[in-house]
Amino acid sequence: GQQLNQSPQSMFIQEGEDVSMNCTSSSIFNTWLWYKQEPGEGPVLLIALYKAGELTSNGRLTAQFGITRKDSFLNISASIPSDVGIYFCAGYRGAQKLVFGQGTRLTINP
Amino acid sequence: GAVVSQHPSRVICKSGTSVKIECRSLDFQATTMFWYRQFPKQSLMLMATSNEGSKATYEQGVEKDKFLINHASLTLSTLTVTSAHPEDSSFYICSASVVSPNEQFFGPGTRLTVL
Repeated sequence: GQQLNQSPQSMFIQEGEDVSMNCTSSSIFNTWLWYKQEPGEGPVLLIALYKAGELTSNGRLTAQFGITRKDSFLNISASIPSDVGIYFCAGYRGAQKLVFGQGTRLTINP
Repeated sequence: GAVVSQHPSRVICKSGTSVKIECRSLDFQATTMFWYRQFPKQSLMLMATSNEGSKATYEQGVEKDKFLINHASLTLSTLTVTSAHPEDSSFYICSASVVSPNEQFFGPGTRLTVL
């Protein structure tokens, strides 16, 4: 089935550093989504990408939909303590079914 | 807008009992609701897709007789874990979707602990 491979699995950075994570798939996705999940909460949508090659920003977050439609990256610039959490990429399998990557756990040292 | 609630947020039950979890879309009508399960330090795994007034569609490996889903209205879906066992302990998350744009809104999750 369609799988999303997300890396890295975890990141330990200093406050103020930039962060980059990515997702790849052996299958084509028509939509890529990036979510953030905090402990004990459901995921919250950060950025949605609908077109191959699309580059979208949301504040300090920037995400791109790969040209091949098989990959995407998320960058966070100038990280702050509230960026801590688990970041998931996701893509739609079929009309509405979402499949998630394994997640990237971000830890920030002040 | 687009708020999804879940109740309860946490539940502890004894092995063999049944537990019902509610998922509500508070300010919109959802065409479809989804139920996910998330084990510690793992990703979300789709369990089933639920449409109002029709039977839920379960993902491969999910027992429909154990995880009963009722989608009574466009704003409410319930998941009942029947005869719960410790291995059912997990974080259960629902989402509600609208067709246009195709977007899912997630609830805050329910932490189930089976003793």
